[in-house]
Amino acid sequence: DAGVIQSPRHEVTEMGQEVTLRCKPISGHNSLFWYRQTMMRGLELLIYFNNNVPIDDSGMPEDRFSAKMPNASFSTLKIQPSEPRDSAVYFCASSLTTFSYEQYFGPGTRLTVT
Amino acid sequence: AQSVTQLDSQVPVFEEAPVELRCNYSSSVSVYLFWYVQYPNQGLQLLLKYLSGSTLVKGINGFEAEFNKSQTSFHLRKPSVHISDTAEYFCAVSRSNDYKLSFGAGTTVTVRA
Repeated sequence: DAGVIQSPRHEVTEMGQEVTLRCKPISGHNSLFWYRQTMMRGLELLIYFNNNVPIDDSGMPEDRFSAKMPNASFSTLKIQPSEPRDSAVYFCASSLTTFSYEQYFGPGTRLTVT
Repeated sequence: AQSVTQLDSQVPVFEEAPVELRCNYSSSVSVYLFWYVQYPNQGLQLLLKYLSGSTLVKGINGFEAEFNKSQTSFHLRKPSVHISDTAEYFCAVSRSNDYKLSFGAGTTVTVRA
């Protein structure tokens, strides 16, 4: 299995630009999670999908952030407009079911907003 | 809400020496506990988990952890480390039957020859 795939691995953009991060979960996994990792705040859960439906988006920092999962094999996290404080590593993770308790993480996208 | 405290931010250790990474949690309800490892420039990988049963949990790569309910701790140990164990280690907690993981700040382990 290829594992969770994220693209791009690195993204550098200017403040105000739109950024789209992509994730392909492991085939057959029904739950998908987006996390953000920063030095100051550590790992934070942004949003959780189950069977392609957003269940909990309470971690999304503000309206500039949005996430979609149009099908079981693809999800996007969009930031529009981006700001320097959005600079972080964004991880996508998937699990077999909500309560399988093992989340498989992708390699992450390192976002730098200048 | 539950929270996790990893008591050491950096742990330098010599190759073949033992290592212990300390993790304490706070929660008013039953919890599940996890240790994840993050190698440089990679995502997190599950080392081991405690859901119920034996309080001594064995994981991958020779790691083990012990759940101590009275001390609200879940310390991670390895009797003999390798250079390849150099990584960041995260303790995480979730309420029983809850998908949300709360992660600690992480402990960076650096193994030296």
